[in-house]
Amino acid sequence: AQSVTQLDSQVPVFEEAPVELRCNYSSSVSVYLFWYVQYPNQGLQLLLKYLSGSTLVKGINGFEAEFNKSQTSFHLRKPSVHIRDTAEYFCAVSSNTGNQFYFGTGTSLTVIP
Amino acid sequence: ETGVTQTPRHLVMGMTNKKSLKCEQHLGHNAMYWYKQSAKKPLELMFVYSLEERVENNSVPSRFSPECPNSSHLFLHLHTLQPEDSALYLCASSQVAGFNYGYTFGSGTRLTVV
Repeated sequence: AQSVTQLDSQVPVFEEAPVELRCNYSSSVSVYLFWYVQYPNQGLQLLLKYLSGSTLVKGINGFEAEFNKSQTSFHLRKPSVHIRDTAEYFCAVSSNTGNQFYFGTGTSLTVIP
Repeated sequence: ETGVTQTPRHLVMGMTNKKSLKCEQHLGHNAMYWYKQSAKKPLELMFVYSLEERVENNSVPSRFSPECPNSSHLFLHLHTLQPEDSALYLCASSQVAGFNYGYTFGSGTRLTVV
């Protein structure tokens, strides 16, 4: 079975500052990893995903994430945030053999002007 | 426009009412899902449909009843709900019933049970 831990429930950051949202997972098998974003009053939107290949994954809106197998982490980063990045961010993991897809509890990113 | 449309956006219902949530996708996807999103809890998968057949039911109470009449439409019929059922209900779709392809989500229905 897999599980996902998002270590920070809330992250405030000033506009144009860098940000890192942390995600750790546990799994006994190979996994696929995802980050989704949920803007206020909207559904979830896929930011990026790691299936295989390069461990540095680039997504939409200037976000990127790095898969670290030894640390079982998939942290999301952006070098300079904008007000419009204020949203809830969800990390998710699935097994490449199973039929389960687990979401973390989410991190609320607030960008301060 | 996300390609997955959910109606209504907001719903308030009493515990003795019967209501339905609707989801429609125009993406040509073959799999559709219902998720429940409660505050500060992980998303909970409720139902999975692939090619209009239910393939997974994660021990959801019988007061929630899904229906998938075709690959573009998904319903969630509600009856005799409890206050703890108040949540955001999200519909999603994917090309095939594989979680690794990434989902397209709708904007959700905010349900309040009074």
